[in-house]
Amino acid sequence: EIVLTQSPGTLSLSPGERATLSCRASESVDSTYLAWYQQKPGQAPRLLIYRASSRATGIPDRFSGSGSGTDFTLTISRLEPEDFAVYYCQQYGTSFMYTFGQGTKLEIK
Amino acid sequence: EVQLVESGGGLVQPGGSLRLSCAASGFTLSSHWMHWVRQAPGKGLVWVSRINFDGSSTLYADSVKGRFTISRDNAKNTLYLQMNSLRAEDTAVYYCARGSDLYGKDLWGQGTTVTVSS
Repeated sequence: EIVLTQSPGTLSLSPGERATLSCRASESVDSTYLAWYQQKPGQAPRLLIYRASSRATGIPDRFSGSGSGTDFTLTISRLEPEDFAVYYCQQYGTSFMYTFGQGTKLEIK
Repeated sequence: EVQLVESGGGLVQPGGSLRLSCAASGFTLSSHWMHWVRQAPGKGLVWVSRINFDGSSTLYADSVKGRFTISRDNAKNTLYLQMNSLRAEDTAVYYCARGSDLYGKDLWGQGTTVTVSS
């Protein structure tokens, strides 16, 4: 089973700053099957990025995804107040299993 | 409005059973693969199960294999999760989600809470 490790666990930044969130896989992941989700307290997750770098419908262009192999990154270019949330990466692998990372909490500094 | 609405959660004793439902509206359920994802209190997201368009192919996380069964009734636009032999560690909010492997899970329900406790 592929394990996704997200870092940092918590990221403290101010609105207007740039956020860089990391997702590292225990073995190589097909980037076609790598997605990122945002979850706010008390809400369901929301799809941000699919295929590692494609923005989902309605997602602002300040969100971008990149990476390949075992290292993937979600970047938020200029943080807005509504961006403070928990972010999860997720993959679908050759073992026919879906796994999520443990999440990165983005909090206001 | 395009939405998913879960129901069927509640309090159940260890070893008991529960069936969750997920009603789809505003789109044709039969055109989409569907998933169940759960989240224990204060914890992260965990994928539970997936079903293809017509129910002929299903996948399960190891933690629920043999105890949970995913199914769908496309005529009723409804997804189900039959949960048997429930354990305390199954306590979570259960979300249904629409999505493919290529395009991610693009629509989620609001979740239904399952509590397994004596």
